Amino acid sequence: GNSVTQMEGPVTLSEEAFLTINCTYTATGYPSLFWYVQYPGEGLQLLLKATKADDKGSNKGFEATYRKETTSFHLEKGSVQVSDSAVYFCALISAGNNRKLIWGLGTSLAVNP
Amino acid sequence: DTAVSQTPKYLVTQMGNDKSIKCEQNLGHDTMYWYKQDSKKFLKIMFSYNNKELIINETVPNRFSPKSPDKAHLNLHINSLELGDSAVYFCASTRRDRVDTEAFFGQGTRLTVV
Repeated sequence: GNSVTQMEGPVTLSEEAFLTINCTYTATGYPSLFWYVQYPGEGLQLLLKATKADDKGSNKGFEATYRKETTSFHLEKGSVQVSDSAVYFCALISAGNNRKLIWGLGTSLAVNP
Repeated sequence: DTAVSQTPKYLVTQMGNDKSIKCEQNLGHDTMYWYKQDSKKFLKIMFSYNNKELIINETVPNRFSPKSPDKAHLNLHINSLELGDSAVYFCASTRRDRVDTEAFFGQGTRLTVV
């Protein structure tokens, strides 16, 4: 079946450090891939998405590229800020009838000043 | 003008009580979900409705019963609340006809059973 695996947290970085959160997936067909962010005390909101191979999603300095050959969608940011402290979720939507959202377990990021 | 709204935001109640959480979306989406998020932030899907029809019903106790009066609303009723039901419950919506459309989430309902 479809699944998403993302690196376990928590991840702790200093401000301006480089961030990578790994995400790999298993899916039939061509799913759409998403990164969501959950700030403390809030709901999930879309950070970026990519809907076909080699697409790059980007937003707020974050980027992720849909790599079909490695079935990966790693999240990167060149210079993190304290305000980026949150939980990040990788997800996919399968192309089948159910349109089920499949979630990773979430990676908690803490950025220290 | 909130896209997906849930009420209440906080709910504290005693074991054995019955409670409801309401969700409404004004995005014109045809699919709505209920998720449970535990203390470790793990997201577990509970139910999904498409045009008022139940399409996903994961392994959830019978005490949980969703109701969708129309495709803009999906409510969650919980009978005989237990301590283990304490969690944050999120409502979400999306369009089922497009695989590239993301899900929009409500702000969550933090349920505490004492």
